[in-house]
Amino acid sequence: NAGVTQTPKFQVLKTGQSMTLQCAQDMNHNSMYWYRQDPGMGLRLIYYSASEGTTDKGEVPNGYNVSRLNKREFSLRLESAAPSQTSVYFCASKEIRDRWIFGPGTRLTVL
Amino acid sequence: KNQVEQSPQSLIILEGKNCTLQCNYTVSPFSNLRWYKQDTGRGPVSLTIMTFSENTKSNGRYTATLDADTKQSSLHITASQLSDSASYICVVSSTYGGSQGNLIFGKGTKLSVKP
Repeated sequence: NAGVTQTPKFQVLKTGQSMTLQCAQDMNHNSMYWYRQDPGMGLRLIYYSASEGTTDKGEVPNGYNVSRLNKREFSLRLESAAPSQTSVYFCASKEIRDRWIFGPGTRLTVL
Repeated sequence: KNQVEQSPQSLIILEGKNCTLQCNYTVSPFSNLRWYKQDTGRGPVSLTIMTFSENTKSNGRYTATLDADTKQSSLHITASQLSDSASYICVVSSTYGGSQGNLIFGKGTKLSVKP
């Protein structure tokens, strides 16, 4: 039981490049989330998926897209990376009893 | 506006000492309050979760308190260890938000425990 896994752990991009951050959970949770964490700020919600096949915008969705591939996997895509997207990205999943499990994070730098 | 404020921003204590971290919130409607520990380079890990009716909850050397009237919470760490060095994040959940979860995160308190 690995919980929530994220790949890659680190990534450096040039402005304008694209990439996909991967997230998977093995706890059979319905809800999955993507957050970003910036210095001096609390975590902010980018997108979430309440169940397989559904996705919705969070607080800061601009510049991102998501795919809920199946119940286990929820990916975050940056189509044209910008320096403002330099951040640490956390995926999380939530069980019915409102218990949240966070992944280890992906540290992204956009030059 | 829903907000969670934590103090202090950072704290340095000696190993074996106790400390208390503070959290004030303006979140409505309130569902529960959580404290998370985030080690450097890791994701947040839950320490405690308290609902409106709970005043205190312990998890080993960690004890959280909640005063729903004044909208304040504290996290007390007893007999600190070097492994307690981390950021501690106060998170308030609102009942409004449904599947979105609607967690409002504080900025965290960075605790350093020195030998």
